[in-house]
Amino acid sequence: ETGVTQTPRHLVMGMTNKKSLKCEQHLGHNAMYWYKQSAKKPLELMFVYNFKEQTENNSVPSRFSPECPNSSHLFLHLHTLQPEDSALYLCASRQETGDSYNEQFFGPGTRLTVL
Amino acid sequence: KNQVEQSPQSLIILEGKNCTLQCNYTVSPFSNLRWYKQDTGRGPVSLTIMTFSENTKSNGRYTATLDADTKQSSLHITASQLSDSASYICVVSAKQAGTALIFGKGTTLSVSS
Repeated sequence: ETGVTQTPRHLVMGMTNKKSLKCEQHLGHNAMYWYKQSAKKPLELMFVYNFKEQTENNSVPSRFSPECPNSSHLFLHLHTLQPEDSALYLCASRQETGDSYNEQFFGPGTRLTVL
Repeated sequence: KNQVEQSPQSLIILEGKNCTLQCNYTVSPFSNLRWYKQDTGRGPVSLTIMTFSENTKSNGRYTATLDADTKQSSLHITASQLSDSASYICVVSAKQAGTALIFGKGTTLSVSS
């Protein structure tokens, strides 16, 4: 394993449900990321947290709400999702030092299906 | 516009054969280029990273090349194994503030026996 865990691994939810995705990193990194991976599309960066502060929000709809209580945990709260939100949601962490050389370590992802 | 294009989209080869995956990019200013391997149902794992001054980088049977002048990279897999079946993603990093990673769509490789 890469040191980044995600739960649940699979999630099926209706459009009116509220659910949360959880990510935990055991690598001592100071930055965490949420990505969306849809079939035949590049990974899409959703949110970036650096030292628990949100530093990037790439025009993500408000039905996705991130939370970063500390530098090791990251949540993605979901409510009133649409079927097109079905995708693999990947969490990643990295030691942010001001350059892009440091590797992002990814979790295994949560496969989300919205009915 | 910063873009990363990968080809082919998918590839099927026999076990033991070699193959080469391509990545063309239009990212500026360029910082580095990384190849990731993503197994089905798993997150991507880094294979190699190259900066502007590096032409080639190896990781076991994986060899990546970079031509910064033509903005092209390739990933060569030697003596393929069934476990090489995965998606290979080219990611280019731009020198700018914030997280400037530009992802390709990936090449899906299937190795059959």
